Amino acid sequence: NAGVTQTPKFRILKIGQSMTLQCTQDMNHNYMYWYRQDPGMGLKLIYYSVGAGITDKGEVPNGYNVSRSTTEDFPLRLELAAPSQTSVYFCASSYPATENYGYTFGSGTRLTVV
Amino acid sequence: KNEVEQSPQNLTAQEGEFITINCSYSVGISALHWLQQHPGGGIVSLFMLSSGKKKHGRLIATINIQEKHSSLHITASHPRDSAVYICAVRDGATNKLIFGTGTLLAVQP
Repeated sequence: NAGVTQTPKFRILKIGQSMTLQCTQDMNHNYMYWYRQDPGMGLKLIYYSVGAGITDKGEVPNGYNVSRSTTEDFPLRLELAAPSQTSVYFCASSYPATENYGYTFGSGTRLTVV
Repeated sequence: KNEVEQSPQNLTAQEGEFITINCSYSVGISALHWLQQHPGGGIVSLFMLSSGKKKHGRLIATINIQEKHSSLHITASHPRDSAVYICAVRDGATNKLIFGTGTLLAVQP
């Protein structure tokens, strides 16, 4: 199994450009998440989804959008890139069928907005 | 004050040393996770705990729910253990993960 796959691994954007960060998982996990990691800070939740067709905002959703048309895919869209969105982005998935469930993380996307 | 605090923030050890990283939290939780992140790399889940102690190879994780504290121990440390170790708790009320800022471990040969 590939687990959680994120693309691209690196990207440089100009201010005002848009892009989509792709995330795919092949574990049939119903929960998926997008986090951003800034230097010296813990990971912050941007958006999450508890299943296909259902998405909700996390702590830091401004400037981002998501969709979840299938169980496997959870893309993150940046419409008008700003320097404040320079960060490392992680997608993760989980399957909370029981109370104690684990998380699987992707390898990250390092985004620089200039 | 952060809801999840880790100490130390930075740790340098000599190969073979016993290492302890601590995590304290202030919210009610349903589980606690220890994660590992190598420089420029992805995040790997090491342990998920809701009580007691777990062991995997040279890694041991413990949790004291009453004291809201967890420790990650590494026995016979090796340079390949050099990484950032992150504590994350699953908030019992919201079911969301709250992350610590991580402990940067460098093990020197």
